[in-house]
Amino acid sequence: DAGITQSPRYKITETGRQVTLMCHQTWSHSYMFWYRQDLGHGLRLIYYSAAADITDKGEVPDGYVVSRSKTENFPLTLESATRSQTSVYFCASSTGQGVYEQYFGPGTRLTVT
Amino acid sequence: AQTVTQSQPEMSVQEAETVTLSCTYDTSESDYYLFWYKQPPSRQMILVIRQEAYKQQNATENRFSVNFQKAAKSFSLKISDSQLGDAAMYFCAYRSDINFGNEKLTFGTGTRLTIIP
Repeated sequence: DAGITQSPRYKITETGRQVTLMCHQTWSHSYMFWYRQDLGHGLRLIYYSAAADITDKGEVPDGYVVSRSKTENFPLTLESATRSQTSVYFCASSTGQGVYEQYFGPGTRLTVT
Repeated sequence: AQTVTQSQPEMSVQEAETVTLSCTYDTSESDYYLFWYKQPPSRQMILVIRQEAYKQQNATENRFSVNFQKAAKSFSLKISDSQLGDAAMYFCAYRSDINFGNEKLTFGTGTRLTIIP
C-alpha cells in the first residue's frame, strides 16, 4: 500500500528488553522522522534522517538508536527498554524544506512493563 | 531553540458555532513555517493548515483559517461552523526555514477540542 506505515501498531514489552519499531514509506521522501507523544508534552523529536545513511539526534534521543540503510525504511530501536519509554511513537516523512508538510504514520503504542 | 505554547489544554464549542484555538511561539528567526495538525481519536496526524511567515495574508482552508500576527508571534486557528467531526486534539507546530538540520517540527502541547451537539 502507498503511504507511510508503522509496525507493530501495539507492543507490550518488559523492562530491559530490546525492541524495534519499523517505519516504511513508499513516496521516496528524503526526510524521515521519529517522534514520541506523551501527555502534556505534545510530540517531541527523537531522531531524524535527511537521506540514507544520514541521521541526527532530536530533542529526546537518549536510549534510542536509528539506522537508515534504505531510503524507504527508518527503524527505531530501544536498546534496553525502560518504563519512561512507554509512549506513542510516530514516524513521519517529507520531501524536504519549505512549506512541505510532514506525513505521519498511524503510530505505535508501546507499553514497557 | 524555538518553543511553541498552546495555553488552552481543553476547549469546547457548540456545533455550528465558531471557536478559536490559541498558539504562541518564540523564535529569533525571520523566516519560518507554521502548521496546525489535527489528531482525531484514530490517532492519525492530519495537516489542517499551513502558513509561511513571509506571507502577510492569513491562510484559509474551507472552514479553517488562521490569524497570523508575526510581531506578536501568535498563530491562532479559527474553526467556523464547527462540526462533530472536528472533535480532536489540535497541535500547533513550527519549522525553521534555515537549511539542513532544521526540517524538524517543534510542537505545542495540544488543545483538546470537544464539539457539543
